[in-house]
Amino acid sequence: NAGVTQTPKFQVLKTGQSMTLQCAQDMNHNSMYWYRQDPGMGLRLIYYSASEGTTDKGEVPNGYNVSRLNKREFSLRLESAAPSQTSVYFCASSAHQVLETQYFGPGTRLLVL
Amino acid sequence: RKEVEQDPGPFNVPEGATVAFNCTYSNSASQSFFWYRQDCRKEPKLLMSVYSSGNEDGRFTAQLNRASQYISLLIRDSKLSDSATYLCVVMNNAGKSTFGDGTTLTVKP
Repeated sequence: NAGVTQTPKFQVLKTGQSMTLQCAQDMNHNSMYWYRQDPGMGLRLIYYSASEGTTDKGEVPNGYNVSRLNKREFSLRLESAAPSQTSVYFCASSAHQVLETQYFGPGTRLLVL
Repeated sequence: RKEVEQDPGPFNVPEGATVAFNCTYSNSASQSFFWYRQDCRKEPKLLMSVYSSGNEDGRFTAQLNRASQYISLLIRDSKLSDSATYLCVVMNNAGKSTFGDGTTLTVKP
């Protein structure tokens, strides 16, 4: 049981490049989330998916797109990376959206030059 | 004003000390409350949920005060291994979570 896995662990991009961050969970959870964490700050919600087939914007969605590929996988895409998107990205999942503990992946450290 | 506010610290305490963290939230309709622990450069992990009646797990006690809109975390008999950042998390009735910026605790020998 791997829990929540994320790839890649590290990535360096040049401004304007695109990339997709992958996230998968094997806990049969309905809800999945993408957060970013900047130094010295808490996590900010980018997008979430309450259930397979649905996605909604969080607090900081600009510059990102997401795809809930199936119940297990939730990807985050940066179409044209900017230095302001340098951050640590965490994916999380929970059994249901409300009242439930979120389980986090190990994070992807992204540097945009 | 931030939706969830925490004292950033750092809190530097000796082993065996008792330390308390507070967290205030602005949305009176908030539904669920949690404390997460985050070690340096690692993912957050649930420490405990916070219930209106208060709850205790070993050396850790969490309290919720809905009238004053704050939650607290008390750590008794601090251990070196308690050194981490503690994140307050508030969830609304639509399931959206808002994280505080975290309180850093360092427990020293």
